[in-house]
Amino acid sequence: GQSLEQPSEVTAVEGAIVQINCTYQTSGFYGLSWYQQHDGGAPTFLSYNALDGLEETGRFSSFLSRSDSYGYLLLQELQMKDSASYFCAVREGTGGFKTIFGAGTRLFVKA
Amino acid sequence: DAEITQSPRHKITETGRQVTLACHQTWNHNNMFWYRQDLGHGLRLIHYSYGVQDTNKGEVSDGYSVSRSNTEDLPLTLESAASSQTSVYFCASSHDRTTDTQYFGPGTRLTVL
Repeated sequence: GQSLEQPSEVTAVEGAIVQINCTYQTSGFYGLSWYQQHDGGAPTFLSYNALDGLEETGRFSSFLSRSDSYGYLLLQELQMKDSASYFCAVREGTGGFKTIFGAGTRLFVKA
Repeated sequence: DAEITQSPRHKITETGRQVTLACHQTWNHNNMFWYRQDLGHGLRLIHYSYGVQDTNKGEVSDGYSVSRSNTEDLPLTLESAASSQTSVYFCASSHDRTTDTQYFGPGTRLTVL
């Protein structure tokens, strides 16, 4: 079957660095995405990794290891506005493509 | 500006009624998706479409149907609403199958009494 595991909650201090891990088990893996969702809002795309390694976009970086079925989202210089839910999502398919989302990690940033 | 919209934003209905949620995007994206979001489950894929006349079942498609008669719209129909279908529904679209960047609508909060 297919499954994604990520921590349900993470708490960090403003200005710190936080890493949100995601492990997955799927068939026909194509890539790992990350989305951010503020309370009451819609998910917004952050990053996509198809190949092993680190992708950096400003304060956010995303990492993928296909051999370990593992990825993470790294948030640096945390700001209060980063308090949100973060979802990893796997693009997978055997004969067709679809995206499966994890249950999400709630990030609380404290002053 | 191009966008993706959903209507209605809030809906209350009764068990057994047919309900249709609208999704409209002006990006001319071929790929469109419907998800439901419930506490503790993240986003679960209901149906998706890769182009006009193409529809596919997702993880939780039972009790739902979609049709794609043009590029811009993918309406989601609940054939006979059940209380278990009370949820927040998000529509999304994407242009590029390679990077799978999905753009989400604002969501529809559906309550089935």
